[in-house]
Amino acid sequence: AQTVTQSQPEMSVQEAETVTLSCTYDTSESDYYLFWYKQPPSRQMILVIRQEAYKQQNATENRFSVNFQKAAKSFSLKISDSQLGDAAMYFCAILNQAGTALIFGKGTTLSVSS
Amino acid sequence: DAGVTQSPTHLIKTRGQQVTLRCSPKSGHDTVSWYQQALGQGPQFIFQYYEEEERQRGNFPDRFSGHQFPNYSSELNVNALLLGDSALYLCASSLAGDTYQETQYFGPGTRLLVL
Repeated sequence: AQTVTQSQPEMSVQEAETVTLSCTYDTSESDYYLFWYKQPPSRQMILVIRQEAYKQQNATENRFSVNFQKAAKSFSLKISDSQLGDAAMYFCAILNQAGTALIFGKGTTLSVSS
Repeated sequence: DAGVTQSPTHLIKTRGQQVTLRCSPKSGHDTVSWYQQALGQGPQFIFQYYEEEERQRGNFPDRFSGHQFPNYSSELNVNALLLGDSALYLCASSLAGDTYQETQYFGPGTRLLVL
């Protein structure tokens, strides 16, 4: 079975600073997909970034980037130049072996202060 | 480009009642997945529908059932509601057969409260 672990229930950062959210996972597959989703208080789950395991290059989307360490089964999210609008719950997820279900971690609540 | 929509936004029911939640997928998508998110937790997969068939099911009892219509929209039905069914129900859509089929896009959710 695949599992996802987010060991930081809460994180805080100041505006314009950089913060890294941690995620580790377990899977027996060699090819899989990893995701970071953001869920603000409005509840809408928003895709932040995705990573294909067969790609060695770390994915980047504007201020968001990942540090994907396949051997260590680690998938951290780095947010640069943090903004007030980045405050939300962040979920790390892996797509299951059937390619149907996302398996989520318990989330990290990120607060941003001015 | 129309995103994933869900209705209703909020719902209050009593134990033992039945509820139906609705989801319209993102324009161009043909696959719908349902998730249950308890307060403070990550979403849990309920099931996925593709070509009007249940493609895979998570660890949820038969009280949870679904349907997909020819226009790809979907319903989630929950019978004999329990207090523990109180949660945010999320619908996600994707496109099967696409190189990015694995990316699921979520709707705003339906908040269900069972009293």
